[in-house]
Amino acid sequence: AQSVTQLGSHVSVSEGALVLLRCNYSSSVPPYLFWYVQYPNQGLQLLLKYTTGATLVKGINGFEAEFKKSETSFHLTKPSAHMSDAAEYFCAVSVDNAGNMLTFGGGTRLMVKP
Amino acid sequence: DSGVTQTPKHLITATGQRVTLRCSPRSGDLSVYWYQQSLDQGLQFLIQYYNGEERAKGNILERFSAQQFPDLHSELNLSSLELGDSALYFCASSPGVSKIYGYTFGSGTRLTVV
Repeated sequence: AQSVTQLGSHVSVSEGALVLLRCNYSSSVPPYLFWYVQYPNQGLQLLLKYTTGATLVKGINGFEAEFKKSETSFHLTKPSAHMSDAAEYFCAVSVDNAGNMLTFGGGTRLMVKP
Repeated sequence: DSGVTQTPKHLITATGQRVTLRCSPRSGDLSVYWYQQSLDQGLQFLIQYYNGEERAKGNILERFSAQQFPDLHSELNLSSLELGDSALYFCASSPGVSKIYGYTFGSGTRLTVV
């Protein structure tokens, strides 16, 4: 079975600083990996995904993530944080062949200080 | 607007009651997924339907049931409600069962059991 661990339930950065949200996965087969963002009182929105091919994936709002098989990681980064980036971020993995179930991590709440 | 419609947005009901949550998937999507989001459990997969048939089951209680209708909308029925069932219930949809698509989420139904 697959699982996802997000290190740090809360991350605080200053506006303009680098954003780094950590995600490690466990899977016995090649995973598909996703990052979602949830703004207050809203549903989850897909930021980016890794399926196959290039290991550096670019998403919306300037975010990107790199799939590192050797480290079983899929960390999310953004060079310069904006106030509007404050939200909760979820990493998810999918390996199920019977369906398309996503297993989500516990989430990381990003706070951006002015 | 993600294209996935969930109604109602908010629901307050008493313990022991039964409620029905409704989801209309994004146009063209055949798969519907239900997730429960709570502070202590995070995002938990409940059940998946694909083109009217149950495809996968997760941590869904026996008091809960779901179905997908011929027009592809789905309903999640929660009965004999307990205080612990208070949570955000999300519906998501995807075009098929392939892992590559990820999900499109609705904005959720917030259920409060009093």
